[in-house]
Amino acid sequence: GAGVSQTPSNKVTEKGKYVELRCDPISGHTALYWYRQSLGQGPEFLIYFQGTGAADDSGLPNDRFFAVRPEGSVSTLKIQRTERGDSAVYLCASSLQGHNEQFFGPGTRLTVL
Amino acid sequence: AQSVTQPDIHITVSEGASLELRCNYSYGATPYLFWYVQSPGQGLQLLLKYFSGDTLVQGIKGFEAEFKRSQSSFNLRKPSVHWSDAAEYFCAVGVSGLWNKLVFGAGTILRVKS
Repeated sequence: GAGVSQTPSNKVTEKGKYVELRCDPISGHTALYWYRQSLGQGPEFLIYFQGTGAADDSGLPNDRFFAVRPEGSVSTLKIQRTERGDSAVYLCASSLQGHNEQFFGPGTRLTVL
Repeated sequence: AQSVTQPDIHITVSEGASLELRCNYSYGATPYLFWYVQSPGQGLQLLLKYFSGDTLVQGIKGFEAEFKRSQSSFNLRKPSVHWSDAAEYFCAVGVSGLWNKLVFGAGTILRVKS
């Protein structure tokens, strides 16, 4: 079956712009996670959804970052007023429930000029 | 707060040689520990995990890892490395004993010489 997919694979934007990053989890997976991976670093937890609700958003760095999962499947990570420091690879993962192996997507590389 | 240290940023081994990648964690209770591999353009793939029980765990692709509580370590090993093992390897700990919030180390890049 299909794995986790993320679109776009690459996104280049200008400082101050708004971006949306999309994640399609594996069908039937109720838990969804967003991570951010900066150059030379490991992934850093951002937010975790169980179903439609954000069960843990403690990793979101500030209020410019927001994520939704309105129907409990596809999720969108939204970044307002982007800054150069937001440049990173944004990874999405999903799991059957919140206590199972996380399957990762290939990521979206965001570059803020 | 939980943390993971991977002391080696880069490691180079010859094909057929043995491999050990180091991982140290900081966590008060029994941790959930993981090793992931990331190849260029690929998503992270779980190699193996430790929850409890036998401290030597077997994973995919011939990898194994040993949990040593006294050393707060979870080192990854492979007896004979193949060229296809060249990738970046990440150790991770589950925060508060859970799966749903992983703290990753900075990674170790493995280069395999032919």
